[in-house]
Amino acid sequence: TQLLEQSPQFLSIQEGENLTVYCNSSSVFSSLQWYRQEPGEGPVLLVTVVTGGEVKKLKRLTFQFGDARKDSSLHITAAQPGDTGLYLCAGVRMNRDDKIIFGKGTRLHILP
Amino acid sequence: EPEVTQTPSHQVTQMGQEVILRCVPISNHLYFYWYRQILGQKVEFLVSFYNNEISEKSEIFDDQFSVERPDGSNFTLKIRSTKLEDSAMYFCASKGFGELFFGEGSRLTVL
Repeated sequence: TQLLEQSPQFLSIQEGENLTVYCNSSSVFSSLQWYRQEPGEGPVLLVTVVTGGEVKKLKRLTFQFGDARKDSSLHITAAQPGDTGLYLCAGVRMNRDDKIIFGKGTRLHILP
Repeated sequence: EPEVTQTPSHQVTQMGQEVILRCVPISNHLYFYWYRQILGQKVEFLVSFYNNEISEKSEIFDDQFSVERPDGSNFTLKIRSTKLEDSAMYFCASKGFGELFFGEGSRLTVL
């Protein structure tokens, strides 16, 4: 059973288009993080969201934490080829501070 | 900028051999982790370590695995007798106040 479901698993779109990646769970998280991972490298933290309903922006990336703290989304505006990569969501469950679990990731490919 | 460092970056070993992967977490962090990622698959939690003891471990982390913080700076993962299916990228991570920072990973290839 996947605690954190990411969708879509793969996404290939044209440069300039917008896209949204989703991270869903039936569990409540005290915080949720988004990472980007390049092949052969470790995940690199993009953002942490903590408060239900929180929205954070990182240039053309917008991250939102669901009101109930069970889900999150990553929206990219005007995607660029440099956005290509594997995007991972990871969560810290309530009262389980020690364990951060990952979704399977969304592999994004932006076509020039 | 502080970072988590891991050595070796790549290790090739024969099945049945012992392997030790080393990590230097960020110095003021309190929680330490090992994760692994088999090629093309998800990042999987192995173990968390806090206050000099294991705080949680996954079903993957069986008796063949152990962790140690021998000298207050290094954090090691030992695989006692490697199997073919242990081939993966192993990531060390440390956490201060909620944000997890990963090392570059150690690629283990078991032949």
